[in-house]
Amino acid sequence: DARVTQTPRHKVTEMGQEVTMRCQPILGHNTVFWYRQTMMQGLELLAYFRNRAPLDDSGMPKDRFSAEMPDATLATLKIQPSEPRDSAVYFCASGPGQVGGKDGYTFGSGTRLTVV
Amino acid sequence: AQTVTQSQPEMSVQEAETVTLSCTYDTSESNYYLFWYKQPPSRQMILVIRQEAYKQQNATENRFSVNFQKAAKSFSLKISDSQLGDTAMYFCAFMKPLSNFGNEKLTFGTGTRLTIIP
Repeated sequence: DARVTQTPRHKVTEMGQEVTMRCQPILGHNTVFWYRQTMMQGLELLAYFRNRAPLDDSGMPKDRFSAEMPDATLATLKIQPSEPRDSAVYFCASGPGQVGGKDGYTFGSGTRLTVV
Repeated sequence: AQTVTQSQPEMSVQEAETVTLSCTYDTSESNYYLFWYKQPPSRQMILVIRQEAYKQQNATENRFSVNFQKAAKSFSLKISDSQLGDTAMYFCAFMKPLSNFGNEKLTFGTGTRLTIIP
């Protein structure tokens, strides 16, 4: 089965350090999402891309977060500087370029980030 | 903006029983898609079932079925003959389709933690 690959699976870092999370979407999928999951806020959309162009990053704190797709096989989410409140599970998901998107999305296994 | 509400934070049932998880949503759209995702302890988000709003027939996938009531904006998930492997968080999600090429974003509910008791 095709899958979305996220690395690293776990990351522990000290406050103030830069964190980079990577995602390899399913080959041929043209839409990529970054979601954050916390106990308090649930699943929040941070950013999404279509054909590598950013469409919506309104859910992302702009001062410290950045999301990019340097090519069709790689999406990155960076936090600089990291803070304890950024501790969460970060999911990447990708979807095929179908009108309507009725097939939903495939999620990666997530990166559990802990900032101490 | 669309909202999705799951009013049952936790549920538990005996193995082999049937359980229904509730979901309501709010939208002014006439066409949209609804999904149920399962998140087991491994934290992988797994698509369980999907429903297209313009289809009156309720979707089914093996032991999983939905009761889609468009007028009431209700989308419940029924799990029949529940198994220990069904223990997970279940998220209801809404998506508004785009008219052009591509997908729209998912809006999730807060989830229901389901425990299947041996």
